Amino acid sequence: GAGVSQSPSNKVTEKGKDVELRCDPISGHTALYWYRQRLGQGLEFLIYFQGNSAPDKSGLPSDRFSAERTGESVSTLTIQRTQQEDSAVYLCASSFGTSGGAPQETQYFGPGTRLLVL
Amino acid sequence: AQSVAQPEDQVNVAEGNPLTVKCTYSVSGNPYLFWYVQYPNRGLQFLLKYITGDNLVKGSYGFEAEFNKSQTSFHLKKPSALVSDSALYFCAVRDPYLYTGGFKTIFGAGTRLFVKA
Repeated sequence: GAGVSQSPSNKVTEKGKDVELRCDPISGHTALYWYRQRLGQGLEFLIYFQGNSAPDKSGLPSDRFSAERTGESVSTLTIQRTQQEDSAVYLCASSFGTSGGAPQETQYFGPGTRLLVL
Repeated sequence: AQSVAQPEDQVNVAEGNPLTVKCTYSVSGNPYLFWYVQYPNRGLQFLLKYITGDNLVKGSYGFEAEFNKSQTSFHLKKPSALVSDSALYFCAVRDPYLYTGGFKTIFGAGTRLFVKA
């Protein structure tokens, strides 16, 4: 079956340019997460979407980062005026989530987008 | 706020020997705990989780983990390591209470496991 897909797989950009990363979650998954993984480091939570609830944006590192999600489908992560420290692998994950209770479901990860800011 | 620590950057073990990858956590209330694995050039994969019930949780590829509330630990174990187990392992914790932990899953920094033939 189809898993989480992300595009592009690789992105090289110049400092100061804007980039947009895309995530297609598994069909039926109401919860969607974005993480950042810098080279040699762990996963850093960025943002979480659950159904029609307000997203948890508490992990976004600055106001240059934003994300949107259309209903319970595609999500885009936008980084404006990219900086070299934004270079990382950006991972998207989705899960069934829950309604009314704490989410506990397993997250399924996409292959990631490797971003390099020159 | 919840946090998770993986005290070892790297674990080396000989094939056939038992392996342990350590994880400790900090969260209010009873945590939801997860282990994920990242093989070279592949995405993160779920291994196992503890939500409630038996403290010993069995997962994929022969791995298991033991939830120890008094020690706030969730160490990953396997009785007999394989060379193919060599990968990067992440422990993760989620606070089940929405109003204190929100929806975040916090991941540890990862432990690289090397299994020598």
